[in-house]
Amino acid sequence: AQSVAQPEDQVNVAEGNPLTVKCTYSVSGNPYLFWYVQYPNRGLQFLLKYITGDNLVKGSYGFEAEFNKSQTSFHLKKPSALVSDSALYFCAVRLLGSSNTGKLIFGQGTTLQVKP
Amino acid sequence: DTAVSQTPKYLVTQMGNDKSIKCEQNLGHDTMYWYKQDSKKFLKIMFSYNNKELIINETVPNRFSPKSPDKAHLNLHINSLELGDSAVYFCASSPGREVSYEQYFGPGTRLTVT
Repeated sequence: AQSVAQPEDQVNVAEGNPLTVKCTYSVSGNPYLFWYVQYPNRGLQFLLKYITGDNLVKGSYGFEAEFNKSQTSFHLKKPSALVSDSALYFCAVRLLGSSNTGKLIFGQGTTLQVKP
Repeated sequence: DTAVSQTPKYLVTQMGNDKSIKCEQNLGHDTMYWYKQDSKKFLKIMFSYNNKELIINETVPNRFSPKSPDKAHLNLHINSLELGDSAVYFCASSPGREVSYEQYFGPGTRLTVT
């Protein structure tokens, strides 16, 4: 079955330290990978995506993610965490269906807690 | 200006009632979606419309019926509400149906069925 997994329910990091939120995927064919962030009582906001090309993708708010085909991973990273980065992060994979239409399949989410 | 808006933001109703949630996007996008987020924050696609045409119809009870009067609006009607329907429902839109497009989400509608 095609899926995406976020192995950590919660990640804790001190402000100023680097952060990593992990994501692994299982799809047939080329993956189309996304990261979204959800702040409390808000909708999801798009952070970045990997479609093709450079394995290191840069996105909003200083976040980046590295696509690793051999490890089937797409980990989200930031060199220096801010308290305001504290939120729920979702990794997602877009499945290629008929007529180039695809469902977005989400991981279970990882809560990032950045402490001052 | 709000890009994707939903009304109402909160909806509390009793079992057996029928209710609707409305969604509007002013981004000029062709494709719109409905998602359900359960109490464990798990997100699942329900429906998708492209230019008023239904293109994704997940396995949801037929008590749920989406309607798209035009490509800027996608409403969700729910008949005979059940306790298990309590969730946050998110509307989203994207420029088109292609898999490379990111989606823009509304603020959500928190539905509580008592």
